Amino acid sequence: GAVVSQHPSWVICKSGTSVKIECRSLDFQATTMFWYRQFPKQSLMLMATSNEGSKATYEQGVEKDKFLINHASLTLSTLTVTSAHPEDSSFYICSASDLGEQFFGPGTRLTVL
Amino acid sequence: DAKTTQPTSMDCAEGRAANLPCNHSTISGNEYVYWYRQIHSQGPQYIIHGLKNNETNEMASLIITEDRKSSTLILPHATLRDTAVYYCIVSDASGGSYIPTFGRGTSLIVHP
Repeated sequence: GAVVSQHPSWVICKSGTSVKIECRSLDFQATTMFWYRQFPKQSLMLMATSNEGSKATYEQGVEKDKFLINHASLTLSTLTVTSAHPEDSSFYICSASDLGEQFFGPGTRLTVL
Repeated sequence: DAKTTQPTSMDCAEGRAANLPCNHSTISGNEYVYWYRQIHSQGPQYIIHGLKNNETNEMASLIITEDRKSSTLILPHATLRDTAVYYCIVSDASGGSYIPTFGRGTSLIVHP
């Protein structure tokens, strides 16, 4: 199946700093990518839909100014957590669609101290 | 808003079949049933999907009831590496793409 990568796989940062997470589709082009967040012992929650060349669509309750999404090319979407705080510590996962199937990245573990 | 109901947890002996049920009584005619699993601290992995016919691939079999209100994922010979959270999702993919919406899933523990 198609491969989706994420970078970094884990990151630790200080409170107040910004963190960028990359999501790449390695062997296919994805006009749409999705960003999820998963807290410990909970399910994945959709944060936003990232559209190549246009603004992202955010789910209710997700602050668009805090979670900046850029989908500059058909193979790359980035999620920037701005002014991160300890409550933003979570597992962030992206997915991309190829021929109607969803493929997920390996996730990025963010820890904000 | 997940449209499926799954048991919170199940366990299975290694080498035996693991049968994971899912209720989706409000499924509509153009919605598919998808199964994913998530091993601890990894991204979800696609397993199988179907519309109304039973499906089988190298990982699992999917049995969908005739009224489509429930389904069962079957891992024919469970191994310790099948220990994971299994998610059943229903979604309309008739437009060529869909957005998986995850419920709580079933935590499957395969024991020796």
